[in-house]
Amino acid sequence: AQSVAQPEDQVNVAEGNPLTVKCTYSVSGNPYLFWYVQYPNRGLQFLLKYITGDNLVKGSYGFEAEFNKSQTSFHLKKPSALVSDSALYFCAVRDRGYSTLTFGKGTMLLVSP
Amino acid sequence: GAGVSQSPSNKVTEKGKDVELRCDPISGHTALYWYRQRLGQGLEFLIYFQGNSAPDKSGLPSDRFSAERTGESVSTLTIQRTQQEDSAVYLCASSPSRVGVQNYYNEQFFGPGTRLTVL
Repeated sequence: AQSVAQPEDQVNVAEGNPLTVKCTYSVSGNPYLFWYVQYPNRGLQFLLKYITGDNLVKGSYGFEAEFNKSQTSFHLKKPSALVSDSALYFCAVRDRGYSTLTFGKGTMLLVSP
Repeated sequence: GAGVSQSPSNKVTEKGKDVELRCDPISGHTALYWYRQRLGQGLEFLIYFQGNSAPDKSGLPSDRFSAERTGESVSTLTIQRTQQEDSAVYLCASSPSRVGVQNYYNEQFFGPGTRLTVL
């Protein structure tokens, strides 16, 4: 089975501060990991993915994520948050043999001015 | 280029009525997915199409739910005899997956969703 956990329903950060949105996963094989962002009344937009290779993955809008196999984590990070980053963030995993992604419940990121 | 489109954007219906939701994937994308997003919850997988066949229907919650796809284009999700618990946002996504090969690491491109409200 494949599963994803996002332990925080909401993360609050002040603009200009670094942000981290946490994600842990469970798969039987090697994971393919994804982050998506959802702005109000819109579909999900792809941010970044980890397939293999470097554990630090860089994506859109200055976001990056670090794959940690020993901790089975794929936390999303950004060095300096913007108010416009406020949105709902989803982590997702796909294991070989599965036809689709399994998504976490989402974490609401609120960046205050 | 054009992204994934869905129609209608909003649908309000009465309990017991049937509804049809439409998805137009990105041209050339052979893989198509339907998800359900309930308020405050993550995405719930419903069904996956590769071309016009559906190798994975495991997420359909009951036999009131069905979906079909015409070739490698439009898909419709039909909910018969709607119930209040069917109220949710229904999201469609497509992916550039080649027939016969499962591209595990291709990202999915999502439409804006259809918000279904069952009164």
